[in-house]
Amino acid sequence: TQLLEQSPQFLSIQEGENLTVYCNSSSVFSSLQWYRQEPGEGPVLLVTVVTGGEVKKLKRLTFQFGDARKDSSLHITAAQPGDTGLYLCAGAKLYGNKLVFGAGTILRVKS
Amino acid sequence: GAGVSQSPRYKVAKRGQDVALRCDPISGHVSLFWYQQALGQGPEFLTYFQNEAQLDKSGLPSDRFFAERPEGSVSTLKIQRTQQEDSAVYLCASSSYRGPLLVAGANVLTFGAGSRLTVL
Repeated sequence: TQLLEQSPQFLSIQEGENLTVYCNSSSVFSSLQWYRQEPGEGPVLLVTVVTGGEVKKLKRLTFQFGDARKDSSLHITAAQPGDTGLYLCAGAKLYGNKLVFGAGTILRVKS
Repeated sequence: GAGVSQSPRYKVAKRGQDVALRCDPISGHVSLFWYQQALGQGPEFLTYFQNEAQLDKSGLPSDRFFAERPEGSVSTLKIQRTQQEDSAVYLCASSSYRGPLLVAGANVLTFGAGSRLTVL
């Protein structure tokens, strides 16, 4: 059972479209991270959000942490083929030793 | 080294064989983690070392799984009597942060490319 539920599981869009990926949980996390993983590689950290309601922007990517720190979203504006990959959210409890990952969203951007 | 290095990148084992997977963390990183990523799933925590001390092994699925980091640098994950359900990518991650994993999001994990284990 995944503590973090990601949706959608798979997304195939055309270059230039916008998209949003969701990460939801019934648990409260002290912080939440988003990673991008390409085939044959390990996850690479994109962002960490720690405050309820926090919004962070990374070029065309906008990340939001829910007010109650139970959910998060990743919005990509004007998607490009280079955005293709597996997007993972991961939550951490304060003073915990482990990250809890969602199952991921596979994004394919077609040119 | 510049990144986290894992070997072998690919391993095929017959059911019942023992396997050993190696992780070379970034030089000087005190914290080391092992995760298991099954096909189509996110990584799942296996175990955590701070230097040579294994502080958390709550994620190891059975007593067939054993991890060590004897000198506080290189780590080995050993799986005895492999089963088909052990087939997965085993990811190693390291961090320079000395304390518990995430304090106010301060920690950053660097993952290796993983070792893909296929048990026939």
